Amino acid sequence: DAGVIQSPRHEVTEMGQEVTLRCKPISGHDYLFWYRQTMMRGLELLIYFNNNVPIDDSGMPEDRFSAKMPNASFSTLKIQPSEPRDSAVYFCASSLVDYGYTFGSGTRLTVV
Amino acid sequence: AQTVTQSQPEMSVQEAETVTLSCTYDTSESDYYLFWYKQPPSRQMILVIRQEAYKQQNATENRFSVNFQKAAKSFSLKISDSQLGDAAMYFCAYLTSSGTYKYIFGTGTRLKVLA
Repeated sequence: DAGVIQSPRHEVTEMGQEVTLRCKPISGHDYLFWYRQTMMRGLELLIYFNNNVPIDDSGMPEDRFSAKMPNASFSTLKIQPSEPRDSAVYFCASSLVDYGYTFGSGTRLTVV
Repeated sequence: AQTVTQSQPEMSVQEAETVTLSCTYDTSESDYYLFWYKQPPSRQMILVIRQEAYKQQNATENRFSVNFQKAAKSFSLKISDSQLGDAAMYFCAYLTSSGTYKYIFGTGTRLKVLA
């Protein structure tokens, strides 16, 4: 298995632009998580899905953030419009319940 | 609410020596899971070791082992025969078994390995 695949690895965009981050979880994993990592706040859970259904999105910072999981093999995190304070590393992870997460390599987002 | 505390922002260890990273947590639950994750400069988060709270035996994975003290709510990671490749950020994480699969991470400990 190739693991959790995220794209792009790096993204630089201008303030106000739409940004879409992509994630392909490990086949068979029924949970998918989106995290944001910054120096100030550490790892923050944004949203997680179970069997493609959003379960908890209480960590999504604002309405500018949205996430979808149209099928078991694909998820997106969208920021529209983007702001400089959104600059962070965004991780996707998938899991089989309690075994432990498998993380993707992350997307480093820079909003200028 | 559960919390996870890593009180050592940074640690150093000489190559081939042993180092212990501390983690404490607070919970009212009796059944849960604890994890250590490693994040090297490549930023990939890697699962190092996992412990189930109902198991008294401490988990081990090669050079990595934990000291799980349930009553004290302590979950330290011991790295034996440290190698240069062990240099990374290490995160302690808590997972409830109650049905909400939200991991709670500590703030991390940066481990430096000295040649």
